[in-house]
Amino acid sequence: EAGVAQSPRYKIIEKRQSVAFWCNPISGHATLYWYQQILGQGPKLLIQFQNNGVVDDSQLPKDRFSAERLKGVDSTLKIQPAKLEDSAVYLCASSLQGYEQYFGPGTRLTVT
Amino acid sequence: GEDVEQSLFLSVREGDSSVINCTYTDSSSTYLYWYKQEPGAGLQLLTYIFSNMDMKQDQRLTVLLNKKDKHLSLRIADTQTGDSAIYFCAETWGAGKSTFGDGTTLTVKP
Repeated sequence: EAGVAQSPRYKIIEKRQSVAFWCNPISGHATLYWYQQILGQGPKLLIQFQNNGVVDDSQLPKDRFSAERLKGVDSTLKIQPAKLEDSAVYLCASSLQGYEQYFGPGTRLTVT
Repeated sequence: GEDVEQSLFLSVREGDSSVINCTYTDSSSTYLYWYKQEPGAGLQLLTYIFSNMDMKQDQRLTVLLNKKDKHLSLRIADTQTGDSAIYFCAETWGAGKSTFGDGTTLTVKP
């Protein structure tokens, strides 16, 4: 069974630029999560989808971050405009029933 | 869940047992998890325990849950150099919402 796929693996941008990350969850997993992991910290939930509906986006900085999950499968997370403090690893995870989460390798974003 | 606390570092010798501790705050947690993260990789689910259990054993891994004290531990028997990684404790409640600790870096010395 293929795992959670993410791309790109690395991205370097200047502040005020925009960036997008892509995630393809494990086939059949209805729940999809985006996390932000700052160096030295645990993952912090940004947004949780159930199929193509949003379950929780209370921690998503909506003035600059947006996410969508079209057709309940793939998802994209966008940052526009980026700030220096957005430098982090962005992790995507998926879950069949909302409990065991399977993580992708992450996208390491550096904002200069 | 509001907060999950872990000690930052643990160093053991190869062959010894490692015990990583975690405290959590949400009494409504349904599942508690241990994840492993190696450099440059995502989190790998190691094991989990349902909140109505006290102990779970899975090969070299033993999870102990003290629900009264909201304390979770992960014991790794016969620790190997390949076990060197960051270990995250996480609690899950409600509609699959999770809160993660900041991780414990385990260093295994030969």
